[in-house]
Amino acid sequence: QSVLTQPPSASGTPGQRVTISCSGSSSNIGSNTVNWYQQLPGTAPKLLIYNNNQRPSGVPDRFSGSKSGTSASLAISGLQSEDEADYYCAAWDDSLNGPVFGGGTKLTVL
Amino acid sequence: QVQLQESGPGLVKPSEALSLTCSVSGDSVSSYYWGWIRQPPGKGLEWIGHIFYSGSTNYNPSFKSRVTISLDTSKNQFSLKLSSVTAADTAVYYCARVGVGRDGFDVWGQGTMVTVSS
Repeated sequence: QSVLTQPPSASGTPGQRVTISCSGSSSNIGSNTVNWYQQLPGTAPKLLIYNNNQRPSGVPDRFSGSKSGTSASLAISGLQSEDEADYYCAAWDDSLNGPVFGGGTKLTVL
Repeated sequence: QVQLQESGPGLVKPSEALSLTCSVSGDSVSSYYWGWIRQPPGKGLEWIGHIFYSGSTNYNPSFKSRVTISLDTSKNQFSLKLSSVTAADTAVYYCARVGVGRDGFDVWGQGTMVTVSS
């Protein structure tokens, strides 16, 4: 059971916009910033979004993040086949005194 | 270009200790924070612990009594030791750099699969 809650799956067609939600509590998302990771099949996770809505260098602006209260969202616009991956949200948890992850959302591009 | 590479046994017997090393190139372990994360087969990510450039550590309470993370600045490496392993510790183990804030893992190793089995 993950501390942060994500839908197990999401899907969309090429060109579509999809969003993935991440729900937490006051001890994590409610009081700290959210990071998102993309894990392509068989590879290590990659930092996709940090500090709620910042993109590391090299990440396309098709990816965007937002946060409100104890929830966060990742949006992917102009969906492409190479976006098919698992996506994880994460945030520092003040009770754990460390980062917690969501269970992951498997994105399928139809 | 910063690169991390995990190394260690791929098979560990139950009740024994799991030991992994992360070799860092392109950066110094004397800067930033460094962490270990694991992923059981078909499951999500789980934070194990951090080590700071000062050598101080921060562990997930779920592992606290079994885990030790250490730093070797002379070899530019950091290590993970997890004692008294069971089949539940079977996972891909990743080392990573915390390059953003206190929890943004911006550089990851490729991961190493560790199986706990007799």
